[in-house]
Formats: sequence, C-alpha cells, structure tokens
Amino acid sequence: DIVMTQSPDSLAVSLGERATINCKSSQSVLYSSNNRNYLTWYQQKPGQPPKLLIYWASTRESGVPDRFSGSGSETDFSLTISSLRAEDVAVYYCQQYYTTPYTFGQGTKLEIK
Amino acid sequence: QVQLKESGPGLVKPSETLSLTCTVSGDSISDYYGSWIRQPPGKGLEWIGYIYYTGSTNYNPSLKGRVTMSIDTSKNQFSLKLSSATAADTAVYYCARDGGGDFHYWGQGTLVTVSS
Repeated sequence: DIVMTQSPDSLAVSLGERATINCKSSQSVLYSSNNRNYLTWYQQKPGQPPKLLIYWASTRESGVPDRFSGSGSETDFSLTISSLRAEDVAVYYCQQYYTTPYTFGQGTKLEIK
Repeated sequence: QVQLKESGPGLVKPSETLSLTCTVSGDSISDYYGSWIRQPPGKGLEWIGYIYYTGSTNYNPSLKGRVTMSIDTSKNQFSLKLSSATAADTAVYYCARDGGGDFHYWGQGTLVTVSS
C-alpha cells in the first residue's frame, strides 16, 4: 500500500496569515502517461463529511475559494491557504488515488492562533 | 444536484454482518464508481472499496475478505456488507461518488456501532 504521511499533525495560524500543510507519499503518484499526480486534498469540519478541495494535486474543485492551492509532484505535496479565515478551521487530509487501495494521510488539524 | 444518503442499522452485534445502502439522487450511478469509506470515532479515513455499475468491485485487502458490495441500478443504490463485525468496525460509514479515486460527492455518513 502507498503510505501517506502528513506534517505537521496540528497547526495554529493567525487569521490572515498563510497556512501550509505537507503530504509525502511512500512512492510516486505521478502517472507518466498523462503527467498527472493522483493526489487529492479534503477539508473536514466536525460532524461533516470530508469536502473535496483539490484534485490532480493542484486543480481546485468548483466553488472552492482561490485562497486554497495545491502544489507538488511525485512524492511531495503541499496544501496552502494564503490568508487564513475563521471558517478554515478543520482537519485536512491528503489522499492518493494512483493505485488501490486508495489511502489517506493521518490528517492535520488546523486551528487559529 | 447530486446527493448521496446512507441507510442501515446503527447497532450491530459482534460476529454479525453490518449492512448499509447508499441511495443516490440527482445523478446516475451508471456514470461513476460508488465507494465506501469509513472513519472510526476521532480517527482518520479508510477506503473500504468500490463498485461499478457493471458489478465490478475492488476491495481493500485490509478487510480480509469480509466485504461484499452490490448495486441496484434500477433503484440508483449500491450496498455494503461487512461480515464478522467486531468493535474495531465501529465507525462512521460514508458512501461517495468515485470519479476514479477522487471523491467529489459524499453522503452525510452514518454511525455504526458494533456492540452486544
């Protein structure tokens, strides 16, 4: 199985500041035939299902604010929130869909400092 | 607007079979895969498996052959059965529309507790 490791486990950032969450996969999730990274990011608030933010590592889902961006390739990825808002408090997960079983990172809890 | 909704018993006895159904509205399940994902209380996410409208399935080997999924295209539903349930299977179970491993739409989730 591909192991997804996120860092840090928790993060406290001031309102308006930048927040960056990292995700590392145990093997490359870049599919060479189409040059796409099979990596998604989800946001989960308490009592709610996860919400898809980013797919193909950097493509923002429709309706997701542009302060959310994804970057990286092969084994190293990041989710950046450019200017933190109170409603961004949540747990964030990365997930690979390069191969089954699809696997998730352990989650990063984002709080306000 | 695509909506998914999980249904089934919220309490299952140990060694019995956990059974859930996902009903999809606003979309045809014949266009995508249907996946099940679970989340133990306070923990992370685990993909259980998917089913395609043809009946083709792919299960997470971690569940050691206890999983069976089925689909009813006439009702726009797909289902999950997890046999020999134990306390470790206590979790919120989500169904999701699977576009090839990326989950654009999720149900609200249903908590299943395994306890006598």
